[in-house]
Amino acid sequence: QQPVQSPQAVILREGEDAVINCSSSKALYSVHWYRQKHGEAPIFLMILLKGGEQKGHDKISASFNEKKQQSSLYLTASQLSYSGTYFCGTEDRDNAGNMLTFGGGTRLMVKP
Amino acid sequence: EAGVTQFPSHSVIEKGQTVTLRCDPISGHDNLYWYRRVMGKEIKFLLHFVKESKQDESGMPNNRFLAERTGGTYSTLKVQPAELEDSGVYFCASSQDGQAPNTEAFFGQGTRLTVV
Repeated sequence: QQPVQSPQAVILREGEDAVINCSSSKALYSVHWYRQKHGEAPIFLMILLKGGEQKGHDKISASFNEKKQQSSLYLTASQLSYSGTYFCGTEDRDNAGNMLTFGGGTRLMVKP
Repeated sequence: EAGVTQFPSHSVIEKGQTVTLRCDPISGHDNLYWYRRVMGKEIKFLLHFVKESKQDESGMPNNRFLAERTGGTYSTLKVQPAELEDSGVYFCASSQDGQAPNTEAFFGQGTRLTVV
């Protein structure tokens, strides 16, 4: 079942923060976050595996709630390079190790 | 180390014609996935190879689509005959371990297919 991402789009000024949410109706095995710039390959950001987990590097971090049904991606002090479309990809217990089911994407535009 | 490469980057064909997309995964990666993104919609899974075997092809839209991975190296995805609704960006991804979940998948830049 496809995860639901929100918001669909967001426009920021440089230095502002953003949160992107990814929700599932059932408990997940893992959540993968990707960023894609137009015409380029989606780039892997991080995987979350455990309920309650928080992970991050630089100014991009993510959390996975205790029930493993929701993940949020946090972009702090955004930079122009953060612009792109962010996708969450989920694995559930039935397809763990198989394919990812992607959300609809969140288009992020960071302006000077 | 070369990443996942896809050819061509863009293809424009007429309805009813045949197109073959190619994906070269990262060397040594057993898993190869095909995904498709139709404009304005999410990235959808098409199929999964483990080496040369089709692990899961539940996402293939219909029998006009044929994927192969001879020798467990590169893969091709053929659309024959192409229809207008086949337009979109076709992504290939590969990952290393055939049995472990949670393995990072590396994506190619995609092939943009336009059927006119």
